[in-house]
Amino acid sequence: GQNIDQPTEMTATEGAIVQINCTYQTSGFNGLFWYQQHAGEAPTFLSYNVLDGLEEKGRFSSFLSRSKGYSYLLLKELQMKDSASYLCAVLDSNYQLIWGAGTKLIIKP
Amino acid sequence: EAGVAQSPRYKIIEKRQSVAFWCNPISGHATLYWYQQILGQGPKLLIQFQNNGVVDDSQLPKDRFSAERLKGVDSTLKIQPAKLEDSAVYLCASSEDTFSGNTIYFGEGSWLTVV
Repeated sequence: GQNIDQPTEMTATEGAIVQINCTYQTSGFNGLFWYQQHAGEAPTFLSYNVLDGLEEKGRFSSFLSRSKGYSYLLLKELQMKDSASYLCAVLDSNYQLIWGAGTKLIIKP
Repeated sequence: EAGVAQSPRYKIIEKRQSVAFWCNPISGHATLYWYQQILGQGPKLLIQFQNNGVVDDSQLPKDRFSAERLKGVDSTLKIQPAKLEDSAVYLCASSEDTFSGNTIYFGEGSWLTVV
């Protein structure tokens, strides 16, 4: 079967750095998405990786290793507004999106 | 650019009643998705349309759920009769097309409570 694994919850301190991991086992691979979802709101797009390596976008970076079936989202200079759930999703060989359950990130002052 | 529009935002119904949700995707987006998201879980795809054709409805409980996308633009998701376990957020999303890594844009969601 197809599977996306992410930690259920993480806690970090304002101003610090946090890395949210995602491992996947899917039927083929056509890219990996990270979405941010604040409580009570819809998911919003953060990043898309299809090639190995690190993609940096401001305070957020996303890394992909296709051979290891692994990605991480790196958040720097954490702010209170970064408290949210972070969803990892993989586009499989049929171009269907397989979603993880999300990681709830709690930022403490 | 206008985003994905959904209505109603909130709905409370009794079990065995029916409910319908409406979605207007971003203009020009060929692919439209309906997701169900239960609190604390990731989105679960119910149905995916490419223009007005169904690409994937394997997880749609067809005995009670139905969806249509007439003319390949707006879409409606209906639940009849509703069960308590249908309480969830119903997210509509759209993308330019299915066959690439196009970003999926979500609407604000329709929150359903079945009592």
